[in-house]
Amino acid sequence: GQQLNQSPQSMFIQEGEDVSMNCTSSSIFNTWLWYKQEPGEGPVLLIALYKAGELTSNGRLTAQFGITRKDSFLNISASIPSDVGIYFCAGPGSARQLTFGSGTQLTVLP
Amino acid sequence: KAGVTQTPRYLIKTRGQQVTLSCSPISGHRSVSWYQQTPGQGLQFLFEYFSETQRNKGNFPGRFSGRQFSNSRSEMNVSTLELGDSALYLCASSIGADSNQPQHFGDGTRLSIL
Repeated sequence: GQQLNQSPQSMFIQEGEDVSMNCTSSSIFNTWLWYKQEPGEGPVLLIALYKAGELTSNGRLTAQFGITRKDSFLNISASIPSDVGIYFCAGPGSARQLTFGSGTQLTVLP
Repeated sequence: KAGVTQTPRYLIKTRGQQVTLSCSPISGHRSVSWYQQTPGQGLQFLFEYFSETQRNKGNFPGRFSGRQFSNSRSEMNVSTLELGDSALYLCASSIGADSNQPQHFGDGTRLSIL
């Protein structure tokens, strides 16, 4: 089945720094989704990408749909403490099921 | 607009028991999917319902079942509980039939098996 490789697995950064994480797939996706999950809560949709090469922003977050359709990137600029959480990439596989990456645990140090 | 609502938020059961979890999707959403989240396996797809029909099922044993009602609300049932069933069970809804429509998640039900 489809697999998503997400990296890095964890990041420790200083407040104010920029963050980059990426996701690669063994097969082509037509949609890339980025979610954030905080402790005790479900994943919250951050950005949805629908077209190869697409670059979409949501505040300080910017995500890109790779040209090959097998990868996607998420950047967070000027990180703040509330950015802490686990970030997941996801793509719809066969028949409407989402395949998720293993997540990037982000810690922002004051 | 209310989000996806899952009840209960926490459950403690013992091995061999059964459990039913409930999910109310976002108003107007007709597709409901269920996922299991564990530290070791991450987020894994259980099944998806649309218009009261199960359209897809993940690689879980038959002890895991679900259903959807005419108002799009969904329930998930796990029978003969095992220790390994301890997990966060997440429900997600999307508007319709298109697989590219984003799924929106509830806050989950934390199931602990003793």
